[in-house]
Amino acid sequence: SAVISQKPSRDICQRGTSLTIQCQVDSQVTMMFWYRQQPGQSLTLIATANQGSEATYESGFVIDKFPISRPNLTFSTLTVSNMSPEDSSIYLCSVGGRLSYEQYFGPGTRLTVT
Amino acid sequence: DAKTTQPPSMDCAEGRAANLPCNHSTISGNEYVYWYRQIHSQGPQYIIHGLKNNETNEMASLIITEDRKSSTLILPHATLRDTAVYYCVPSNTGKLIFGQGTTLQVKP
Repeated sequence: SAVISQKPSRDICQRGTSLTIQCQVDSQVTMMFWYRQQPGQSLTLIATANQGSEATYESGFVIDKFPISRPNLTFSTLTVSNMSPEDSSIYLCSVGGRLSYEQYFGPGTRLTVT
Repeated sequence: DAKTTQPPSMDCAEGRAANLPCNHSTISGNEYVYWYRQIHSQGPQYIIHGLKNNETNEMASLIITEDRKSSTLILPHATLRDTAVYYCVPSNTGKLIFGQGTTLQVKP
């Protein structure tokens, strides 16, 4: 399994601002994913970020709101833009396993928008 | 993507086996069944996955019915640390579409 870290672990932001979340993996991985978990809810996939290609967004998520970078095989960022209180969630990154499609998750970034 | 149905909550006595069911009747032939759990305030943890055959690892066993329309995750000797939300997730693309899962409460 991979060791995944996220920065920041939590933040409180004002509406209208943007926050960039970093995801760092201790080994090279092809597939990286970003999820959102709203309070009391299950996880929702935001996008798939593969190195060397544009991120693929799920229905309901757009690049202007959640731009993603994937500059190399160990790092990715997710930006939450023009934030509103509805963006208050835990944001998690995950990476694909080496042998099959199992995924390993980071600890998450807890975002509160006031 | 296959839809899943899991009971919202279950209780289990510490030291006993916990059997968590999942219905995935619309699963396609090449979709694996993955199980994850999320302990409060942590990122989800991969447990086990299978296609057709039953699988066992150090954490759990996975029983998949012959028609593949349902599966059961078995924690053979549940401990208090197994209290978590458990998700079954069919997938063959790497993308995980999570349902609401089952909240397992292990009681002393």
